[in-house]
Amino acid sequence: KQEVTQIPAALSVPEGENLVLNCSFTDSAIYNLQWFRQDPGKGLTSLLLIQSSQREQTSGRLNASLDKSSGRSTLYIAASQPGDSATYLCAAKGDQAGTALIFGKGTTLSVSS
Amino acid sequence: DTGVSQDPRHKITKRGQNVTFRCDPISEHNRLYWYRQTLGQGPEFLTYFQNEAQLEKSRLLSDRFSAERPKGSFSTLEIQRTEQGDSAMYLCASSLEASGGWYEQFFGPGTRLTVL
Repeated sequence: KQEVTQIPAALSVPEGENLVLNCSFTDSAIYNLQWFRQDPGKGLTSLLLIQSSQREQTSGRLNASLDKSSGRSTLYIAASQPGDSATYLCAAKGDQAGTALIFGKGTTLSVSS
Repeated sequence: DTGVSQDPRHKITKRGQNVTFRCDPISEHNRLYWYRQTLGQGPEFLTYFQNEAQLEKSRLLSDRFSAERPKGSFSTLEIQRTEQGDSAMYLCASSLEASGGWYEQFFGPGTRLTVL
């Protein structure tokens, strides 16, 4: 059974700092891994999706990497801004047809100005 | 707006009442998923549809829960005889899942259910 873990659970940084959020998964048989952002009381916004055959994806100040063999993914945020404050969730999709996403509990990021 | 929409955004009900939520997916998406999220947790899978067929249900989906997706378009999730433990955010997601595709899931804003 797939389990997804995110460390740390919470992170506070000053504006401008570069930071890394970690995600680990127990079953390497994944189809893809998605990173989401969730603001308080809101739905999920997809940030990056990495296919199992890929090593990384980039979008603006965000870079996500994937190492299937070690069961790890990281989300790198460059030059953090107060507007980046939110909960970041990673989710793994199994490689069998129709499998749902398995989510971690998220990392809550607070960026102070 | 061509994203996933959900209605209502908030629902407050008394224990024992029935509630129904609606999800409108992105129009060309063939897969529709329902998830439930409680405070401090990541979303947990409830059920999913391939077009109008409900193909999988989680053990979290008790007999009081039923979901439909008539004609493979919008979906409804009904909870009968609500309990306080049903209080949560109910999230809907859709994706276009075809051979060789990216299978990226897009989420709606959620319906926040409070059972008093």
